[in-house]
This record gives sequence, structure tokens and C-alpha cells, in this order.
Amino acid sequence: QVQLQESGPGLVKPSQTLSLTCTVSGGSINSGGYSWSWIRQPPGKGLEWIGHIYYSGSTYYNPSLKSRLTISLDTSKNQFSLKLSSVTAADTAVYYCAKDPYYYDSRGYKRHWFDPWGQGTLVTVSS
Amino acid sequence: QSVLTQPPSLSGAPGQRVTISCTGSSSNIGAGYNVHWYQQFPGTAPKLLIYGNTNRPSGVPDRFSGSKSATSASLAITGLQAEDEADYYCQSYDSSLGGREVFGGGTKLTVL
Repeated sequence: QVQLQESGPGLVKPSQTLSLTCTVSGGSINSGGYSWSWIRQPPGKGLEWIGHIYYSGSTYYNPSLKSRLTISLDTSKNQFSLKLSSVTAADTAVYYCAKDPYYYDSRGYKRHWFDPWGQGTLVTVSS
Repeated sequence: QSVLTQPPSLSGAPGQRVTISCTGSSSNIGAGYNVHWYQQFPGTAPKLLIYGNTNRPSGVPDRFSGSKSATSASLAITGLQAEDEADYYCQSYDSSLGGREVFGGGTKLTVL
């Protein structure tokens, strides 16, 4: 049973870079057939998909965050990471990592759902 | 404003059947992309409830069922129980604005 655990600073200053790591246990991050996502949820609000990375290292980002976002993989540690630059108060949220099973749509592209999720970590952007 | 529209709240009595709707458009559900559902209790991570429109992961009671038609999807809960009180989110893919996975705004279900 795969489990995921987020880690990183709980407080980041405005204009700085938010950095989080997700450690995967109970399975290899290198195994084919899955990608690995970051998802966030501002306090009291809904969910927003941030982006994901495949075991090959290829990434796809939410276009609304793309210019500030980097997701990377460290297979030796069975981890993947998130870096979000130039943060503002609007980036305050609980950040989740998740495993992404996928299906193929009618055009042959991979589309995803999320299972399981990490427990989440609250990141507050404040001076 | 979420791309997928859900009622903000819904309530039902124990034993009743409730349905949570998820309304999309031609760039997401109407384009044939699958819909998935998640259950979230306060202070905890979302948990997958339905994937691929109608499929239940192992361990999810058969009281939960999903359906999809045209530009909308629904999550039905029969035999409502107090433990079903939670937030529910739908999720699909949207091809507009560069394409991304999207969630509904969430529905808070209250068991009376």
C-alpha cells in the first residue's frame, strides 16, 4: 500500500520560494503507469491541481502557475519535490501530494485521478 | 469560480438517498473526459470515492455510486449515514486555457 508524506517549511515570506518534498513509501516512484501530483487547498476553500511529474521525469503544470513552478523527481530517495517562486498570500494553502493513476482519453492522451493522497502540510505566506 | 459547478451544500436524513451534481461544459465533461469523486472530512486529506465515472475503489461501500451524462455527472449516496457527513468534490480534465485537471467547488453534505 503506497503512502505519501509531505514535508517542508510551514512559513514562507512573500516573494520567496516555497519548497516542499513528498516522500513515497510502500512502492517505487520509478514504477511505470503512474505520475505524481501536487494539489493545494486554501483554508476554507476548494482544491486546485498544481502539476505532476511522470516517472520518466517529464512534467505538466497548471497553466495558471506554470511560470513560477518546478516539479522534480529524486528516484534515489523515492521523493518528488515542488518549488513555487515569488509567493504571495494567495499561495497560502494546505499542499497535498498524490499518486496519479491515469486512463487514455479518446485522443490517446493520459488523463488522471488522484489516489492515494498524503496527509497535507499547511504553508503560510507571511512576513 | 470553479470550472465544474457543484451545489455548495446539501442535506438529508439518515436512510435517505441524496444526489450531488457536478455540472461542466463542452471543454470538460461534455468533451468525454471522465469524472472522479472524492470525500473529505474536516482536517483530513481527500479520499477517492469514485473513478472513471462509475467505478468504486475496493473498500468503498456500494451505497456510493457515480453516473455521467452529456455535460454533467452525479454522485448518489443511498441509505445515508451520519458518517457520510463530509465535503465531496468532483474532478475532471478541462481542455481550455491550456488544459489542466480541475475540481468542482465542493459540496458540504449534512446528515440531519
